[in-house]
Amino acid sequence: DAGITQSPRHKVTETGTPVTLRCHQTENHRYMYWYRQDPGHGLRLIHYSYGVKDTDKGEVSDGYSVSRSKTEDFLLTLESATSSQTSVYFCAIKGGSGRSLGANVLTFGAGSRLTVL
Amino acid sequence: DAKTTQPTSMDCAEGRAANLPCNHSTISGNEYVYWYRQIHSQGPQYIIHGLKNNETNEMASLIITEDRKSSTLILPHATLRDTAVYYCIVRVEGKTSYDKVIFGPGTSLSVIP
Repeated sequence: DAGITQSPRHKVTETGTPVTLRCHQTENHRYMYWYRQDPGHGLRLIHYSYGVKDTDKGEVSDGYSVSRSKTEDFLLTLESATSSQTSVYFCAIKGGSGRSLGANVLTFGAGSRLTVL
Repeated sequence: DAKTTQPTSMDCAEGRAANLPCNHSTISGNEYVYWYRQIHSQGPQYIIHGLKNNETNEMASLIITEDRKSSTLILPHATLRDTAVYYCIVRVEGKTSYDKVIFGPGTSLSVIP
C-alpha cells in the first residue's frame, strides 16, 4: 500500500552484463531516489531525480546511470555490472503515501537484491 | 545539509525507554531533524521529525535541545521489534530543486529480553 514498487526484487547476473532496476510509484511525487546499502556503510545515495528528465548525482554515482522519462518510473542502470556493485538497492519517493506523513518524508520500496558473480 | 553524528550501537532492556542521541552541531536555522529506522532487510521507515519544539507521535518522542545542536529520539517502552538501525538526518524543507537526502551509518539498537 506504500505506492512504490521495485523490480526485480532479486537478480543474479554476471560481471560485464547490463542490469536495469526499476522503481515505480503511483503517488505522482516529483522526487525519487536510488540508494545502495552494504554492510558497514549504511544507505548511500546513488542518484536522485527532481522531475521528468531532471536527475542529479549522489555520493556514489560512478558506474550507474538513471533515467526518468515519466513521473512514475525511475530506472537505475548498471551499464557493465561489476562484483563491487553487489548490493541491496532501495528506491525512495519524497512525499507521503496514502495517509500522508508529510510532503518531505521519504517512503522507501522493499529493496532489490543484486548479486554480480 | 548539516552532518550528523550518532553512536554506532546501543543496547536497551526490553520494556525500558530507549534514548538515541544525535549530534548536529552545524545545523542551520531552517533545517529540520528527521529520524528513520530500518528493521533488518526492510526499507527504512519514517519515525518522526521536528524543527525546534519537542514532538511526540504514536511511535516515539523527539527532544531537541534549545540550541538545536543535538536531539534525542525516545522509544518509551522498547520491545524486541524495535531492534533496528536508527538514522538521524537534518535537511532543509522547501521547494528547492536540489534535494539530496544523505543518510549516515546510523545507530544499531539492540533490544535485549
